[in-house]
Amino acid sequence: EAGVTQSPTHLIKTRGQQATLRCSPISGHTSVYWYQQALGLGLQFLLWYDEGEERNRGNFPPRFSGRQFPNYSSELNVNALELEDSALYLCASSLVRRAAFFGQGTRLTVV
Amino acid sequence: SQKIEQNSEALNIQEGKTATLTCNYTNYSPAYLQWYRQDPGRGPVFLLLIRENEKEKRKERLKVTFDTTLKQSLFHITASQPADSATYLCALEMDSSYKLIFGSGTRLLVRP
Repeated sequence: EAGVTQSPTHLIKTRGQQATLRCSPISGHTSVYWYQQALGLGLQFLLWYDEGEERNRGNFPPRFSGRQFPNYSSELNVNALELEDSALYLCASSLVRRAAFFGQGTRLTVV
Repeated sequence: SQKIEQNSEALNIQEGKTATLTCNYTNYSPAYLQWYRQDPGRGPVFLLLIRENEKEKRKERLKVTFDTTLKQSLFHITASQPADSATYLCALEMDSSYKLIFGSGTRLLVRP
């Protein structure tokens, strides 16, 4: 069974540009979580989608947004990129209130 | 405010010993708590989930306890091996919205 897949693996953007990150959950999982992990730091909760709806978001500005598609895959968009947005972005899928399974992450570098 | 606290200092132990990591939380009573392992540059890997009505859970060399009175979970690795060296994260839902929040993790280093 395929795990959670994220694309791209690496992404280099210029300050002010937009980045789009993608996540395909494990088949049958309806929830997708997004986390930001800056170098050497912990996982910061970004967004949670379940059954196509945004259920919760963390303390991030509105330029961080996303959506979940009918097939439960998800997209994270970051607008007006800033240098401090450079981080590993992790996606996880789960059934609600069950173990979360993570992808390998997208390393976003803003220059 | 709600908090998850894990010891930020690395735990350095000798191979073969038992490693014990602590997760404390405040201001909420989660229905369950999870433990994950994370290696550098990789996504966390799920290890164990324990529910509020379970005092203890085991999986091979791993053991987790959950004390809802103390608001604390302990994570034990018995007969530790150098391959167990990693950062260990606890995670729980921090409010009734079910969003999953992670502690900052404790780095474990097992010396041969």
